[in-house]
Amino acid sequence: GENVEQHPSTLSVQEGDSAVIKCTYSDSASNYFPWYKQELGKRPQLIIDIRSNVGEKKDQRIAVTLNKTAKHFSLHITETQPEDSAVYFCAAQLIFGQGTELSVKP
Amino acid sequence: NAGVMQNPRHLVRRRGQEARLRCSPMKGHSHVYWYRQLPEEGLKFMVYLQKENIIDESGMPKERFSAEFPKEGPSILRIQQVVRGDSAAYFCASSPGLAETDTQYFGPGTRLTVL
Repeated sequence: GENVEQHPSTLSVQEGDSAVIKCTYSDSASNYFPWYKQELGKRPQLIIDIRSNVGEKKDQRIAVTLNKTAKHFSLHITETQPEDSAVYFCAAQLIFGQGTELSVKP
Repeated sequence: NAGVMQNPRHLVRRRGQEARLRCSPMKGHSHVYWYRQLPEEGLKFMVYLQKENIIDESGMPKERFSAEFPKEGPSILRIQQVVRGDSAAYFCASSPGLAETDTQYFGPGTRLTVL
């Protein structure tokens, strides 16, 4: 069946550094790739999404890149802040990755 | 503009009982999605519905689980004869239903505990 692999499962960075989370997907028909941030005990919140007709999208400190040929997409967070600490999920259509627990140390 | 609403927020059931989880989509949204999240795991797609129609139920267990989204009222996820392994957070999301790749907005979740 369709599958989304997400790496790393945990990521620890110093405040101000960049964080990169990578996902690969199996269904070549996928054309919508959202990223969600989930704080402990809270709902997933959409932070950015990308559709297959573009290769990159940026929103302030957050950017996402998509390589449809390689079936690979990534989330980049620059100038990380402690409040960025959360679990981040990628998705390809309705299939979610396993999540990355990001910890930003002050 | 109220967001996606789910109730109850917490539900405790004993093994063998039934659990009913409700989801009211955002105003103007006609599509609803249900996901299950086990502790410290990702979100697993269960079912995708529009009013009076199931579009995709490929992630739904074949037995004990059912979902509906009637013409009037909230979407219901029903779990019959619950077992301990059903303990999880159940999230619903809604989208406008304008395109296959609509943005989904999540509700606060229902945390089901089976004793």
